[in-house]
Amino acid sequence: SQKIEQNSEALNIQEGKTATLTCNYTNYSPAYLQWYRQDPGRGPVFLLLIRENEKEKRKERLKVTFDTTLKQSLFHITASQPADSATYLCALDGVSGGYNKLIFGAGTRLAVHP
Amino acid sequence: SAVISQKPSRDICQRGTSLTIQCQVDSQVTMMFWYRQQPGQSLTLIATANQGSEATYESGFVIDKFPISRPNLTFSTLTVSNMSPEDSSIYLCSVGDGGGQPQHFGDGTRLSIL
Repeated sequence: SQKIEQNSEALNIQEGKTATLTCNYTNYSPAYLQWYRQDPGRGPVFLLLIRENEKEKRKERLKVTFDTTLKQSLFHITASQPADSATYLCALDGVSGGYNKLIFGAGTRLAVHP
Repeated sequence: SAVISQKPSRDICQRGTSLTIQCQVDSQVTMMFWYRQQPGQSLTLIATANQGSEATYESGFVIDKFPISRPNLTFSTLTVSNMSPEDSSIYLCSVGDGGGQPQHFGDGTRLSIL
């Protein structure tokens, strides 16, 4: 069956460290993989998109990798700050029901402690 | 990016009643989407709202339960009909170009059914 898996356990790290979140998928062949941030009571906010032919993408303190062989994306936040505390969702374009749509993982909650 | 306003932000309803959620975008958009997000779970696509035609529903969601309107390129509504406690969830609208491209979300409607 098709699955997108993110670590359901919260990730707790100290301020200044690098946070690494994982997204694994099964039985999809996405052309894109995306990461979103969601704060409590708010909708998801788009952060980064990486294409299947890109190994790595950076935006300020954020870095995303995409390994289509391992079927995995890693999302890194360097020099993390308490303001980075949120739930991070990965999403990919998957074919379901006969057409392309955006399919989300359940998210991983990140808590950055001072 | 588009600014998306959803109303109401939250509501508590009696079982058997219906609630209509509104989604207003500050610019014309091609595609609008409705999602449901239950606590700790991923976003599940309910339907794609098409301007000038019927919405396209995902497996497990039917028009009688979740009628959708899309009268123009900036507005859509989702009605949750004949509500039961199982309908308690967060309902989110989003906009995008489809095909797995990034989407921009409203802040959602938190719905509780008593």
